[in-house]
Amino acid sequence: QVQLQQWGAGLLKPSETLSLTCAVYGGSFSGYYWSWIRQPPGKGLEWIGEINHSGSTNYNPSLKSRVTISVDTSKNQFSLKLSSVTAADTAVYYCARGNNYYDSSGYSHYMDVWGKGTTVTVSS
Amino acid sequence: SSELTQDPAVSVALGQTVRITCQGDSLRSYYASWYQQKPGQAPVLVIYGKNNRPSGIPDRFSGSSSGNTASLTITGAQAEDEADYYCNSRDSSGNPHVVFGGGTKLTVL
Repeated sequence: QVQLQQWGAGLLKPSETLSLTCAVYGGSFSGYYWSWIRQPPGKGLEWIGEINHSGSTNYNPSLKSRVTISVDTSKNQFSLKLSSVTAADTAVYYCARGNNYYDSSGYSHYMDVWGKGTTVTVSS
Repeated sequence: SSELTQDPAVSVALGQTVRITCQGDSLRSYYASWYQQKPGQAPVLVIYGKNNRPSGIPDRFSGSSSGNTASLTITGAQAEDEADYYCNSRDSSGNPHVVFGGGTKLTVL
């Protein structure tokens, strides 16, 4: 049973850098894309970006200039850094495992394992 | 990048069938996946691929697609199905990004 455990600072001041880490327990780290997703209070889910075990990344274009996702395969961990935070970055941040499904008709990307979420508040 | 559009809110009488839809250009190329989120909890995957349910998801949940529209159907909705539902897929505009729909709040009456 794969589990994701995430942690990081929950209270930041404007202009600081958000830093979160997600550890993968009970399963393989390779063969998947590992994602970060956030959810502002009362709003929907927003994909931040993803990384695979080789360090290949994809980022949401709207956040790309401020986001860095990295991986430590020796610890089965991946991390998120978001620089120059503002109040608009206040959200619950989730890590998740991204998986792929293929059949004769098409393809699906899906996230089948999620962390519990970390609430990050940006306030002066 | 592509967008996925969902109705903000849908209601269903207890025991009846409800369909939640998701529209977007990327769905002409890719299947949607669907997530259920209850207040204060992380999202849970309920449907992926053509119509696949992860272990533990009741068979009253099913998925389908046609053209640029994906649908999540709950046949015989239960009180515990009241939640927010999100669709997602890869972006089909040549970028390997992931997009989410805005979410649908399902109320079971």
